[in-house]
Parts: sequence; C-alpha cells; structure tokens
Amino acid sequence: QVQLQESGPGLVKPSETLSLTCTVSGASISRFSWSWIRQPVGEGLEWIGRIYTSGTTNYNPSLKSRVTMSVDASKNQFSLKATSVTAADTAVYYCARVVVTSYYYYGMDVWGQGTTVTVSS
Amino acid sequence: EIVLTQSPGTLSLSPGERATLSCRASQSVSSTYLAWYQQKPGQAPRLLIYGASSRATGIPDRFSGSGSGTDFTLTISRLEPEDFAVYYCQQYGSSDTFGGGTKVEIK
Repeated sequence: QVQLQESGPGLVKPSETLSLTCTVSGASISRFSWSWIRQPVGEGLEWIGRIYTSGTTNYNPSLKSRVTMSVDASKNQFSLKATSVTAADTAVYYCARVVVTSYYYYGMDVWGQGTTVTVSS
Repeated sequence: EIVLTQSPGTLSLSPGERATLSCRASQSVSSTYLAWYQQKPGQAPRLLIYGASSRATGIPDRFSGSGSGTDFTLTISRLEPEDFAVYYCQQYGSSDTFGGGTKVEIK
C-alpha cells in the first residue's frame, strides 16, 4: 500500500523560506512523478508544481519564481521550497503521486493527509 | 493558463437523486488529460475519474464522467449519504489547473 506523509514547520515567518518534505512508502519514488497542491482554509485546490521521473519540473506560473521541487531518491522523499513567503501562502499543503505516461494522464491517485502551514510573525 | 469553471457552485439534493456537475474549460482540453476528485471535510482529495470517463480503482459505478473539448460532466446516478462532498475537476498540462469546485449538499 502506497502512503505519502508530508512534514515540515507548521509556522513560517513572512519573507522566509517554506520547506516541506513528502516521504513515500510502498513505492519507489524513481518510478513515478510527484506533485504538490495547496488549499487555503475554506477555499479550493491550487496546483503548485510537479516533478517527473526525469527530474523535469513544471510549476504554477503564479508561483514559478519562488518555488523549487526536488527528489531525494536515497530517502524516497521529494521536497518543496518556497521563498519569500507571505500570509497568502498560508494553506494546507498536500503531496500527491502522479500517474502519467507520454500520452495519457491517469490522475493523482495517492495523496498525503496534508500539513498546515501558517505564515505569521 | 487554462481556466476551469465549475457549475453550479452548490447543488442541494436528496439521497437517491441524480447529480450532474459541470466543468467548462477556457480552451480545449484533451479528454485524456481531464480528471475529477472528491473531497470531504478534513480529508485529502480522492481521485474519482481520469481520462474524462474512466473510473479510478475502487470507485463505484454510480460515478460516471463524460465530455470532450471544453465541456465535461461528472454524474452521480443515485446519491448515497457518503457522496455529499466537494468535487473538483482538474486538467493536466504544462501548468495544471483545478476548477473552483462544486459542493453537493443534502437538501
């Protein structure tokens, strides 16, 4: 059974860097692509970005200048860093497995439980 | 960026009724790149439909998806108590986007 678990500080100060890690169990991280999604309280889902098996990344254009995703295959983890955070970055952050081939998208089929990040001084 | 607009914002129905949820894209989306998710309060989203019409593993057959181009639909044939939730459509591309969601609530 594949499981994902987000971890990281629950509180980040404005202008600082948000760093989250998603630990994958039950699957090899090198075989799949992975995404981060966030959700402000009471609002909808916002896609942050994706990292493919090749290491290629796609980011939400509105966040692209501030976010970086990476994979640590030795730890079966992937991570998200977002610089210069503001209160608008306060949200529940989810990591998810992406199942996609060169011609078909099978969706984000496994999600972590989510971790709440608050940006406040 | 492709904008997905979901309607209605809220759907008030009774158990046993049929629910029809709409997702309209600002430009054409390949059917192979359109998915639907269900989210209940305090939980992560769950994949329901991929490829616009294929049910994900373990999803009951009362859930069905259809559509092409810019218009997609999620149908729940007979609402069960556990189906009252928020539903999101999502398109995959160089920049993914989600729709704003439709809340299906008990009437």
